[in-house]
Amino acid sequence: GQNIDQPTEMTATEGAIVQINCTYQTSGFNGLFWYQQHAGEAPTFLSYNVLDGLEEKGRFSSFLSRSKGYSYLLLKELQMKDSASYLCAVKDSNYQLIWGAGTKLIIKP
Amino acid sequence: EAEVAQSPRYKITEKSQAVAFWCDPISGHATLYWYRQILGQGPELLVQFQDESVVDDSQLPKDRFSAERLKGVDSTLKIQPAELGDSAMYLCASSLPGEADTQYFGPGTRLTVL
Repeated sequence: GQNIDQPTEMTATEGAIVQINCTYQTSGFNGLFWYQQHAGEAPTFLSYNVLDGLEEKGRFSSFLSRSKGYSYLLLKELQMKDSASYLCAVKDSNYQLIWGAGTKLIIKP
Repeated sequence: EAEVAQSPRYKITEKSQAVAFWCDPISGHATLYWYRQILGQGPELLVQFQDESVVDDSQLPKDRFSAERLKGVDSTLKIQPAELGDSAMYLCASSLPGEADTQYFGPGTRLTVL
């Protein structure tokens, strides 16, 4: 079967750095997405990785290793507004998105 | 900035009643998706349209759910009759076919079935 694993919950301090990991086992790979979802709201697109390596976008960076079936989202200079769930999703060989359950990130002052 | 529109934002209904949700994708986005999301879980794809055609409805409970996109633009998702287990967030997303095919979501409809 197809599977996306993320930690259920993480806690970090305002101003610090946090890394949210995602491992996947899918039938084929055609890209990996990270979305942010605030409570009660819809997911918003953060990043897309299809090649190995690090993609940086402001305070957020996303890394991919296709050989290891692994990605992480790195959030720097954490702000209270970063408290949200972070969803990892992989596009499989049929170009269907397989979603993880999300990681709830709690930021403490 | 173009956005996906959905209505209503909230819906409370009693079980056995019919409910309908509407979605207007970003202009020019040929692909439209309906998802259901239960609290604490990732979105679950219900149906995917390419223009007016259904591409994937394998997870749509067809005994009670129906979806249409008659003119290949806006779309309606219907549940009849609603059951208690249908309480969830219903999300609509759209994408422009391409390498990334990034999906952009509307604000969602929070359904509560009593």
